[in-house]
Amino acid sequence: DAGVTQSPTHLIKTRGQHVTLRCSPISGHKSVSWYQQVLGQGPQFIFQYYEKEERGRGNFPDRFSARQFPNYSSELNVNALLLGDSALYLCASSLVPDYEQYFGPGTRLTVT
Amino acid sequence: AQSVTQPDIHITVSEGASLELRCNYSYGATPYLFWYVQSPGQGLQLLLKYFSGDTLVQGIKGFEAEFKRSQSSFNLRKPSVHWSDAAEYFCAVGNNAGNMLTFGGGTRLMVKP
Repeated sequence: DAGVTQSPTHLIKTRGQHVTLRCSPISGHKSVSWYQQVLGQGPQFIFQYYEKEERGRGNFPDRFSARQFPNYSSELNVNALLLGDSALYLCASSLVPDYEQYFGPGTRLTVT
Repeated sequence: AQSVTQPDIHITVSEGASLELRCNYSYGATPYLFWYVQSPGQGLQLLLKYFSGDTLVQGIKGFEAEFKRSQSSFNLRKPSVHWSDAAEYFCAVGNNAGNMLTFGGGTRLMVKP
């Protein structure tokens, strides 16, 4: 069975630009969460979505937004990129919003 | 607010030796606890989890962890380390709302031949 997939794998953006990251959950999983992992640190929670509704938001500015589609895939959007947004962005899915989250390989975002 | 501390940033062990990675958490209620492993440039793989019940939990790849409420700890152990275990290990605590995980800073494990 396919695991969590994320696209793109890598991308490079310039300060001030906008970026959209995509995530497809494991088949049958209805909950998707997003995490930011800065180099050398543990992942930090950004959002959780379940049945297209936001169920949780971490301590991130409003430049960060997300949504979940009817097929349970999800997008993370970041506006007005800053150098500090450079990180590995991880998507995780679970059957329902419990704790057994399965992570994708991540998208490496570099902001120059 | 919940938090996780992994006191050891780096640990080096010889192949075949035993391993213990430390994890201390702070959470007001009964915690839900996890260990994940991350190879370089990869996502996170779930090793094991504790929700309730037996405080000694078994995971994949021969790992186990013990929940000790009195010490607010959830240490990861393996009796004999293999070279392929070299990676970064993260401990995490989940909140009761089920909507977020809080991770520690990670412990990088190196394995000497």
